[in-house]
Amino acid sequence: DAKTTQPNSMESNEEEPVHLPCNHSTISGTDYIHWYRQLPSQGPEYVIHGLTSNVNNRMASLAIAEDRKSSTLILHRATLRDAAVYYCILRDKKKSSGDKLTFGTGTRLAVRP
Amino acid sequence: DSGVTQTPKHLITATGQRVTLRCSPRSGDLSVYWYQQSLDQGLQFLIQYYNGEERAKGNILERFSAQQFPDLHSELNLSSLELGDSALYFCASSASRGGGRIEDTQYFGPGTRLTVL
Repeated sequence: DAKTTQPNSMESNEEEPVHLPCNHSTISGTDYIHWYRQLPSQGPEYVIHGLTSNVNNRMASLAIAEDRKSSTLILHRATLRDAAVYYCILRDKKKSSGDKLTFGTGTRLAVRP
Repeated sequence: DSGVTQTPKHLITATGQRVTLRCSPRSGDLSVYWYQQSLDQGLQFLIQYYNGEERAKGNILERFSAQQFPDLHSELNLSSLELGDSALYFCASSASRGGGRIEDTQYFGPGTRLTVL
C-alpha cells in the first residue's frame, strides 16, 4: 500500500485558515486521496477526497500537487469544533478485494480560541 | 449522526470471557467494516463483509470472528479475551464493495469501548 506522511500535530487560531499537509510520494495513478477526521470521543468521519484536480465542499478544500505526490487539506476558517485528528488516506479506485481504510497516525489539530 | 449504530456503547468484562459487539449499517449499505483503535496500535482494519460474505481480512486475531446477517447487521465476536484486547471497536458501512469514489465513502458508528479487567 502506498504510504502517507503527515505532521504529528498542528495548532491554529480560531477563525483563521488552516493548511494540513500530506506527503504521498509513492502514490499510484489509480489512488484517490481521501481525508477523514476523528473528533474527540467519536468515530472517524469523511471530509473530502480527490484524484487530480482541486476539490471544494462545504467542509473543506483539497489542493493536490501537479505531480500528485503531496496534497493539502484547507479549512478556510477554523472553529473550535474542527479540533480533531486528521487522516490522509490513499484509496485505490479499482474495486479489488475489499477496500479497507489504512489509517496512519494523522495530524492532531488544536484550535486556540 | 452517521446513521451507523453500535451497541453496546461500553462493555466491561474479565479476561477469558467472550463478548459480542453489534453494528447496524446505514440503510441500504451493503458493506460493513470493523476497526480496532487502541492507544499503541492506532486505528486498524479487522474485517469487511459485503452482502453477507466476507470480503477482506486485516489483522484480525483467530480469537475474533464476525458475521453479517441477512438484514445486513453485523456482529463481532471476541473470545478468550486478554487485557490487550481493551480498545475502541468501530463499525463502518458503505454502499459498495470497495473503491475510492464518493459512493465508496465509509460511515463510522460511535464505537464500542471494551475494557478487559
